[in-house]
Amino acid sequence: QVTLKESGPVLVKPTETLTLTCTVSGFSLSNARMGVSWIRQPPGKALEWLAHIFSNDEKSYSTSLKSRLTISKDTSKSQVVLTMTNMDPVDTATYYCARIHPSRVGATIWFDYWGQGTLVTVSS
Amino acid sequence: SYELTQPPSVSVSPGQTARITCSGDALPKQYAYWYQQKPGQAPVLVIYKDSERPSGIPERFSGSSSGTTVTLTISGVQAEDEADYYCQSADSSGTVFGGGTKLTVL
Repeated sequence: QVTLKESGPVLVKPTETLTLTCTVSGFSLSNARMGVSWIRQPPGKALEWLAHIFSNDEKSYSTSLKSRLTISKDTSKSQVVLTMTNMDPVDTATYYCARIHPSRVGATIWFDYWGQGTLVTVSS
Repeated sequence: SYELTQPPSVSVSPGQTARITCSGDALPKQYAYWYQQKPGQAPVLVIYKDSERPSGIPERFSGSSSGTTVTLTISGVQAEDEADYYCQSADSSGTVFGGGTKLTVL
């Protein structure tokens, strides 16, 4: 049974750095073609893809947020970590991690399992 | 940056057919994917590779593609289908989601 669970602070102050952890089970981050993405959703707004990382350590970032994001993985702990620097109130959102389906087609990835999401509020 | 355009809302009566469109310049070259999201829940994949249906998704959900537009069709809409629907695809700069469409079952 594949599951993903996000964890991290519920409240961060402006200018602080956010660190979120996605703990996965039911699959291994070391298996070929396995990958995990982070996606966020501001309250009442659309989904926004942030970053992904694959088992071979291939990484990709949203063009608009690339300078603020770092994604990494700890295979032994089955965890994927996302850091976002210089947080602002507009970054208030529910942050999801999602498994990338192993059968990606070229540059196109899609998501077959999602975590429940974690709401992060940015406020002083 | 690449954008996928969806209508903000679609309304249908129970038993009717709902069609939700998604437009993007790269769609003739890239597959599209559709997710259903109910309030307070994570998205669920309902269509992949333009028209394939994951196991467990009802047959009333289907997808199609024509040029720069992909369409999610829900035949015989049920009250439980009321949700937000998002298309997703990619271009050379990365993965992108559409703005979402709220499906209201009247």
